Amino acid sequence: EDQVTQSPEALRLQEGESSSLNCSYTVSGLRGLFWYRQDPGKGPEFLFTLYSAGEEKEKERLKATLTKKESFLHITAPKPEDSATYLCAVQASPGAGSYQLTFGKGTKLSVIP
Amino acid sequence: GAGVSQSPSNKVTEKGKDVELRCDPISGHTALYWYRQSLGQGLEFLIYFQGNSAPDKSGLPSDRFSAERTGGSVSTLTIQRTQQEDSAVYLCASSLHSTGELFFGEGSRLTVL
Repeated sequence: EDQVTQSPEALRLQEGESSSLNCSYTVSGLRGLFWYRQDPGKGPEFLFTLYSAGEEKEKERLKATLTKKESFLHITAPKPEDSATYLCAVQASPGAGSYQLTFGKGTKLSVIP
Repeated sequence: GAGVSQSPSNKVTEKGKDVELRCDPISGHTALYWYRQSLGQGLEFLIYFQGNSAPDKSGLPSDRFSAERTGGSVSTLTIQRTQQEDSAVYLCASSLHSTGELFFGEGSRLTVL
């Protein structure tokens, strides 16, 4: 069974204080690992896809990295508007299950001005 | 519309009643997913449709839950004889060719009294 564990559950940062969110996963053949952002009362919004160990993706103050067992979402000099819940998800490769995504419970990030 | 549309946005019902939740995916997206998000919990997979293939129903929690997708477009999730534990936000998402880059609607919040 595919599993995704995110840590910490919640993180409070001062504006400009860089940090990282962790996503540990077990999956029977990784097709892709995904990061989403969810604002209160909204559906998740896609951020990144990572396919193989060593891959990195960047978008503004966010950088996602991938190893064979975990992914990190690095936040550099965060701003209050980065406050949200960040979700990690994995999708198994064809033949190892359907194309459903398995999500972690998320990390709630609060950036204080 | 440009995004995934869900209705109703809020539904309050009495225990034992049936409810229907509707999802209108992005035009041209062949994959459609239903997830459930309870307070403090991660996204729980319910069902996945891909084109004309048989749906993956492995996430449906009981036989009170069913879903259909008509004409490869609009989907309806039906919950019969609702129970209090069915209270949650039901999220629909669509994607192009099951890539894992999901576009979510804003969800239907179901409250069972």
